[in-house]
Amino acid sequence: QQQVKQSPQSLIVQKGGISIINCAYENTAFDYFPWYQQFPGKGPALLIAIRPDVSEKKEGRFTISFNKSAKQFSLHIMDSQPGDSATYFCAAAKTGANNLFFGTGTRLTVIP
Amino acid sequence: KAGVTQTPRYLIKTRGQQVTLSCSPISGHRSVSWYQQTPGQGLQFLFEYFSETQRNKGNFPGRFSGRQFSNSRSEMNVSTLELGDSALYLCASSLDGGMSTGELFFGEGSRLTVL
Repeated sequence: QQQVKQSPQSLIVQKGGISIINCAYENTAFDYFPWYQQFPGKGPALLIAIRPDVSEKKEGRFTISFNKSAKQFSLHIMDSQPGDSATYFCAAAKTGANNLFFGTGTRLTVIP
Repeated sequence: KAGVTQTPRYLIKTRGQQVTLSCSPISGHRSVSWYQQTPGQGLQFLFEYFSETQRNKGNFPGRFSGRQFSNSRSEMNVSTLELGDSALYLCASSLDGGMSTGELFFGEGSRLTVL
């Protein structure tokens, strides 16, 4: 059973456009929601993370929006660049736990 | 400082064999987690070690095992390999493993192919 559902599976965006990736979870005990970025041949790297006490977190061109009542969160990449082309994974965990539940990933391609 | 180091990076085995993968965490990190990454199932948690003790285990058969040494280095072992074990095995280290500190640092993985 997939604890975190992620969509879309793939996404193609023009340079300068906005990339939006959505995730949903079921377990209300989750209270830590990170996004990881993975380039081919590399391991995932933490991009940005949010806890449910805030509805939005922004770091540079990357923003997480969080809707606790809907149990959904999303990643917005503003002014998308070809260098952003990678696979993005959302994840969820409980504070104090030591394992992340990952979404299935979104392959983002930014066209120049 | 040096990142998470995994060895070997690539290996090919045949069904029925066993394999041992190694992970050296970031200096000072005491928690090591292992994840399996496949195109079909994505990233799935295998187990986590902290101070040489397994604290948590994912939903994998007993053929998958691991251990952690006093210097925090970790190994995972897969016995009686099956074709479905072909995957990228990722090691991640963190200060204490708990999400209170948040970040997991992943290595580049060991890509296992089972023929």
